[in-house]
Amino acid sequence: AQRVTQPEKLLSVFKGAPVELKCNYSYSGSPELFWYVQYSRQRLQLLLRHISRESIKGFTADLNKGETSFHLKKPFAQEEDSAMYYCALSTSQGAQKLVFGQGTRLTINP
Amino acid sequence: SQTIHQWPATLVQPVGSPLSLECTVEGTSNPNLYWYRQAAGRGLQLLFYSVGIGQISSEVPQNLSASRPQDRQFILSSKKLLLSDSGFYLCAWSYGSGGSYFGPGTRLTVT
Repeated sequence: AQRVTQPEKLLSVFKGAPVELKCNYSYSGSPELFWYVQYSRQRLQLLLRHISRESIKGFTADLNKGETSFHLKKPFAQEEDSAMYYCALSTSQGAQKLVFGQGTRLTINP
Repeated sequence: SQTIHQWPATLVQPVGSPLSLECTVEGTSNPNLYWYRQAAGRGLQLLFYSVGIGQISSEVPQNLSASRPQDRQFILSSKKLLLSDSGFYLCAWSYGSGGSYFGPGTRLTVT
């Protein structure tokens, strides 16, 4: 069965420190991985996709198939990064059926 | 640009009452549409998805149903609500492999 695990429910770091939000997945096929973010009083929004290999708002994520991980990283945290972050796995090439992790609440302390 | 609307934003309903949540998408044609639910203390779970008008697939057995009467309209319904139906319901759309885009959500409390 497909599963996404985010081991940290809460993560707190100081402004300017590096951030790493962990995500591990379980899927026997070829996965599509995503990171979604929800800022306070805003809707859930796409942050980045592994197939794009892009950097959004300073965040990057690399798919490691050997370790079945898709950790989200940022070298220098900013206060506006405080939000809820969800890792998600798409198991279908047609309809994008997403399996979500439980989410990590990131708090950046000044 | 594409936008997605959901209503109502909040809803309090007694056990046994019917439910109808509506979702509409603007600015795109023939999107894939989805209903997700987030129950208290749990992650987002896919309930239904649709790849076209009248085409509904259910991901989990439950007390709810979905319908797609028009290309950009997706409705979540129940004939008789249960306490366990309480949660945060999110509608989403996608097109191709570019990611899913979510509505603002409806918080449903069944009393």
